[in-house]
Amino acid sequence: DAKTTQPTSMDCAEGRAANLPCNHSTISGNEYVYWYRQIHSQGPQYIIHGLKNNETNEMASLIITEDRKSSTLILPHATLRDTAVYYCIVRVPVTGGSEKLVFGKGTKLTVNP
Amino acid sequence: NAGVTQTPKFQVLKTGQSMTLQCAQDMNHEYMSWYRQDPGMGLRLIHYSVGAGITDQGEVPNGYNVSRSTTEDFPLRLLSAAPSQTSVYFCASSYGGTTEQFFGPGTRLTVL
Repeated sequence: DAKTTQPTSMDCAEGRAANLPCNHSTISGNEYVYWYRQIHSQGPQYIIHGLKNNETNEMASLIITEDRKSSTLILPHATLRDTAVYYCIVRVPVTGGSEKLVFGKGTKLTVNP
Repeated sequence: NAGVTQTPKFQVLKTGQSMTLQCAQDMNHEYMSWYRQDPGMGLRLIHYSVGAGITDQGEVPNGYNVSRSTTEDFPLRLLSAAPSQTSVYFCASSYGGTTEQFFGPGTRLTVL
């Protein structure tokens, strides 16, 4: 199973871009990178996922390096409501063709006024 | 759609008591799962199901039972609660495969 490494915590100024790094050096060729976040006491929320190409949606952008050993989640204009724990997850395949998500400890992002 | 709902929101048990945490989804998702989250930790998978009648164990299944008789419901049973099971429990559902998982609001369980 591919493991991920994230910084324990990061700070960002409100209105600035937040760049959250993730290392996944043992990722397999068919494994996707997922990002979720968890705002205090709530259930995790899906943000974005990708395989090898950069991805963008209304919440964030995901940049995956060419060798796929690391990725960066970008929140282009962070707000106070983006303060949360951000989880970088590599999809783990299981029997039956469905996948489960293995959560690490994530990065605690604090957006400051 | 109500999404993923969990009941109860809070529960206090005494050691040895049994109870069932309820989880339901109205999105016709095949894939459902249960996670627990201890203070300062990430989520750990307890059990999951890829469809009605099919369940399997996750990382930390001991002390928990599940069943999946319908697509909508995926209850988690604690047969004999222990203080080590004090945690926040999250249920999630998805279409499976590469799609996103939707999480419920959680059940905060304390075992005394």
